[in-house]
Amino acid sequence: EAGVAQSPRYKIIEKRQSVAFWCNPISGHATLYWYQQILGQGPKLLIQFQNNGVVDDSQLPKDRFSAERLKGVDSTLKIQPAKLEDSAVYLCASSRNKRTLAFRETQYFGPGTRLLVL
Amino acid sequence: AQSVAQPEDQVNVAEGNPLTVKCTYSVSGNPYLFWYVQYPNRGLQFLLKYITGDNLVKGSYGFEAEFNKSQTSFHLKKPSALVSDSALYFCAVRDENNFNKFYFGSGTKLNVKP
Repeated sequence: EAGVAQSPRYKIIEKRQSVAFWCNPISGHATLYWYQQILGQGPKLLIQFQNNGVVDDSQLPKDRFSAERLKGVDSTLKIQPAKLEDSAVYLCASSRNKRTLAFRETQYFGPGTRLLVL
Repeated sequence: AQSVAQPEDQVNVAEGNPLTVKCTYSVSGNPYLFWYVQYPNRGLQFLLKYITGDNLVKGSYGFEAEFNKSQTSFHLKKPSALVSDSALYFCAVRDENNFNKFYFGSGTKLNVKP
């Protein structure tokens, strides 16, 4: 099966500009996650979708970050305006998460988008 | 709150020698534990997971992990390291009581020298 797809792979912008990332999860995966991975750290969850609904966005800086998954399949993450500290790799992941035994499901990651804010 | 700790930022091992990458966890419910590997400029790749059952879990690329409930540990092991195993390794715990969120450790850089 095809893996999680993300684009673009790399992006360089100046601070205060806006940027958008796209993710297409594995077919049939109900849950989609966006993570931010700053150099030298583990991934930090930004937002989690179950189908087209937001399950958890407690760590999403909502004043500048937004995400949507309108049809319950692919998703976009936007930053507007970007700050220097947003430089990171943005990882998208998906899992099947059937209603029962969801804790058994493995999360599969895309290649990530590396963002550099100058 | 759920958390994992990877006490070593870096582990160095010679090719052919056994390797261990350490992970300890803290959970309020049942521990569901995962190991991922990340190669440069790549996303995280799933290695193995512990859900229930045998304490020794076997995974991809010859890796295995030992679940130890009394020590709250889930160390990653491999009997004979390869240079190609050099990468960043992340331990993660899943919180079934909180939307099945994953909590990742800070990562351990494994260097395997020829």
